[in-house]
Amino acid sequence: QSALTQPASVSGSPGQSSTISCTGSSSDVGGYNYVSWYQQHPGKAPKLMIYDVTNRPSGVSNRFSGSKSGNTASLTISGLQAEDEADYFCSSYTSSSTLVFGEGTRLTVL
Amino acid sequence: QVQLQESGPGLVKPSQTLSLTCTVSGGSISSGGYYWSWIRQLPGKGLEWIGYIYYRGSTYYNPSLKSRVTISVDTSKNQFSLKLSSVTAADTAVYYCARDLGGWGDFEYWGQGTLVIVSS
Repeated sequence: QSALTQPASVSGSPGQSSTISCTGSSSDVGGYNYVSWYQQHPGKAPKLMIYDVTNRPSGVSNRFSGSKSGNTASLTISGLQAEDEADYFCSSYTSSSTLVFGEGTRLTVL
Repeated sequence: QVQLQESGPGLVKPSQTLSLTCTVSGGSISSGGYYWSWIRQLPGKGLEWIGYIYYRGSTYYNPSLKSRVTISVDTSKNQFSLKLSSVTAADTAVYYCARDLGGWGDFEYWGQGTLVIVSS
């Protein structure tokens, strides 16, 4: 199974919004509402930020939101803060009853 | 608060079997509905799902690793384990164990990760 496609890097200034895309196929992203997003700071384990496309776990800032259109899911971070600078990964359930991650995106807060 | 902790050798020789254990605390591994997972991250790379096990024993593996992977669970010890056979340098990675809320990729709890280097 191929990794989901994400941009290698995105950037934004403090206070602005930034959106990260995650593109798959009808066999994964487009076929199920089971897309999750993870934030990973250097040397740390990933942290779940969004699950089931749009849901935020308890304790995650409402500045993080998720959406999906067709085979592409998106993570939007509003009101960018320095602490948001990290790597972000998407994941999706697949038609083979497996899971696949995205390639990862480095978010830089300018 | 559920916590997961990986343990096992940090150095494995090529062609041997990598064996890791994840110990779960703060909750029972037999609690229904959760899938206990292994995920790895190659150096400087993204995440790769290895597979998961339901507490009753059913397993699901990444097709690219399926021929070499075995995940098992020991409910009496509140642990689950990973075995990856015939390893090569390409298997050098940080290995994480994680709890998936429902088998859909909602990894809500993660271990800290353990670096395994494959080298002679």
